[in-house]
Amino acid sequence: DSGVTQTPKHLITATGQRVTLRCSPRSGDLSVYWYQQSLDQGLQFLIQYYNGEERAKGNILERFSAQQFPDLHSELNLSSLELGDSALYFCASSKNRVGAGELFFGEGSRLTVL
Amino acid sequence: DAKTTQPPSMDCAEGRAANLPCNHSTISGNEYVYWYRQIHSQGPQYIIHGLKNNETNEMASLIITEDRKSSTLILPHATLRDTAVYYCIVRVNTDKLIFGTGTRLQVFP
Repeated sequence: DSGVTQTPKHLITATGQRVTLRCSPRSGDLSVYWYQQSLDQGLQFLIQYYNGEERAKGNILERFSAQQFPDLHSELNLSSLELGDSALYFCASSKNRVGAGELFFGEGSRLTVL
Repeated sequence: DAKTTQPPSMDCAEGRAANLPCNHSTISGNEYVYWYRQIHSQGPQYIIHGLKNNETNEMASLIITEDRKSSTLILPHATLRDTAVYYCIVRVNTDKLIFGTGTRLQVFP
């Protein structure tokens, strides 16, 4: 158990819909990272937040948005869903300071878009 | 883009040491070498990381060459549960992780 909690574990929805994935980081971790893993793309970095502020952005679509709240949990919002958005979405957290750089990943949210 | 090169797949007999190589010839002085693994569709799991010295923990050992252009992850006594995709990643300590394609390690009985 990494200490990172993601909900829901599984989600099935239709094209055009909007979903929200939630992540609770490990206690004391200030950084949250979101990754997408689809069958043909491997693990793709989407976005990173540090203590409520966006810190780095990767290959995140404009239809997707994220935020980190004052209690440090994070949400990833996916809208106007397409079939190709079907994937595993992982959240990770870290303390984000020198010497403590390892990321700890949750078990993921599996999104299926029909 | 990933800054590392790993063989796509390797086999190892159960109980033997698994030595997974990684080339990172363009590594910068402030970049660490990290190893993660992903078992089936579970979340990636941190294994070990190092800057220039060799490192060992309860899971594995990390050997980094003196010029830091390559490294080897050693699982001293591989078990069937070590079958996974292993990712070697170089990064500044507080930066995001960029995953490459990794090495698929198959441990056989």
